[in-house]
Amino acid sequence: GDSVTQMEGPVTLSEEAFLTINCTYTATGYPSLFWYVQYPGEGLQLLLKATKADDKGSNKGFEATYRKETTSFHLEKGSVQVSDSAVYFCALRVDYGQNFVFGPGTRLSVLP
Amino acid sequence: SAVISQKPSRDICQRGTSLTIQCQVDSQVTMMFWYRQQPGQSLTLIATANQGSEATYESGFVIDKFPISRPNLTFSTLTVSNLSPEDSSIYLCSAGGQGYEQYFGPGTRLTVT
Repeated sequence: GDSVTQMEGPVTLSEEAFLTINCTYTATGYPSLFWYVQYPGEGLQLLLKATKADDKGSNKGFEATYRKETTSFHLEKGSVQVSDSAVYFCALRVDYGQNFVFGPGTRLSVLP
Repeated sequence: SAVISQKPSRDICQRGTSLTIQCQVDSQVTMMFWYRQQPGQSLTLIATANQGSEATYESGFVIDKFPISRPNLTFSTLTVSNLSPEDSSIYLCSAGGQGYEQYFGPGTRLTVT
């Protein structure tokens, strides 16, 4: 079945550090890929997306590139801020259905 | 993008009672979804709600426990019935966007005592 794997958290970084959160997937179809962010006490917000191989999604300084050859969609940010502290979810949706499959989430804490 | 609101934002309920959660979207959408997020966990899809038809439930979720209504293209309700402490979770609704994405409501935090 379709699945998403993320790096284990929590991830703790100092402000202005470089962030990478790894995400790999398995899918029977040709998926669209997403990163969602959940701030404390809130719902999920769409952070970025990519719908085909080699697409790069970007938003708020975050980037992720759809790598079909390595089935990966790693999230990166060059300089994190305290306000980026949240849980980040990688997710996929396959072409044939509406259902999303979410990864387990990675908690990020950024220290001042 | 769609803006989604949920009511209530949180509730504390007694064992054996039921809670109905409302989800309102600011535009017409074909598909709405209900998820459960247990403490510290990822999201699990409960069911997909299409307007004018029965909801489609995922494995492990049944209509008697999680009845869903979808009376129109902007609104849905999820009822969690016969509550037990194991039902304590965050319940999230979402709606499908134009570009394959889903947009989420802020969630309803349920505590069962």
